[in-house]
Amino acid sequence: EAQVTQNPRYLITVTGKKLTVTCSQNMNHEYMSWYRQDPGLGLRQIYYSMNVEVTDKGDVPEGYKVSRKEKRNFPLILESPSPNQTSLYFCASKGLGTGERNTEAFFGQGTRLTVV
Amino acid sequence: AQKVTQAQTEISVVEKEDVTLDCVYETRDTTYYLFWYKQPPSGELVFLIRRNSFDEQNEISGRYSWNFQKSTSSFNFTITASQVVDSAVYFCALMFRDSSYKLIFGSGTRLLVRP
Repeated sequence: EAQVTQNPRYLITVTGKKLTVTCSQNMNHEYMSWYRQDPGLGLRQIYYSMNVEVTDKGDVPEGYKVSRKEKRNFPLILESPSPNQTSLYFCASKGLGTGERNTEAFFGQGTRLTVV
Repeated sequence: AQKVTQAQTEISVVEKEDVTLDCVYETRDTTYYLFWYKQPPSGELVFLIRRNSFDEQNEISGRYSWNFQKSTSSFNFTITASQVVDSAVYFCALMFRDSSYKLIFGSGTRLLVRP
């Protein structure tokens, strides 16, 4: 089954304690990205990656890091989490290319993060 | 500016009523894609529909229908004979062809269908 898997689904942590949210896809997609969802703001892109070792900032990258060492994995790293990073996080992947099929993004189940 | 506006924050209807969720977008690009996603209380995002900018045909899928009008930059979503299971947050989103391939989401409309 084609899927994007995020872990953990829920996480409560304390300010300043480094954490990593993992994301893995099994569709051999080149493109992966991270979004955060906040009330009244919809989803906003944090970082994206066009392929292995190619990453770039989205609209709200401050306080986050990513890496893309393998095509299937795209972890989101919070080196020193703060309460304003409390949010619902989504990982997404899609194929690249001009076909209409490649316009659809596949989303993970979401990770609800609380930083106290 | 590239932007999606969902002006309705919350809508409450009684079961079996029809309801329309509005979506207005802004983009300078001539090639773009519009999407609707459903987010049920469990939190995941469920893809509902994709429409490209060259296809203005309306679409119907069961009780769901979508009206795309480039003249008014709108992509509205209608649920006919709503059901309690339709209760969710609905997001409209825009994607255009730049290097980021990002989806630009509206702020979402929370739909509550009461029995």
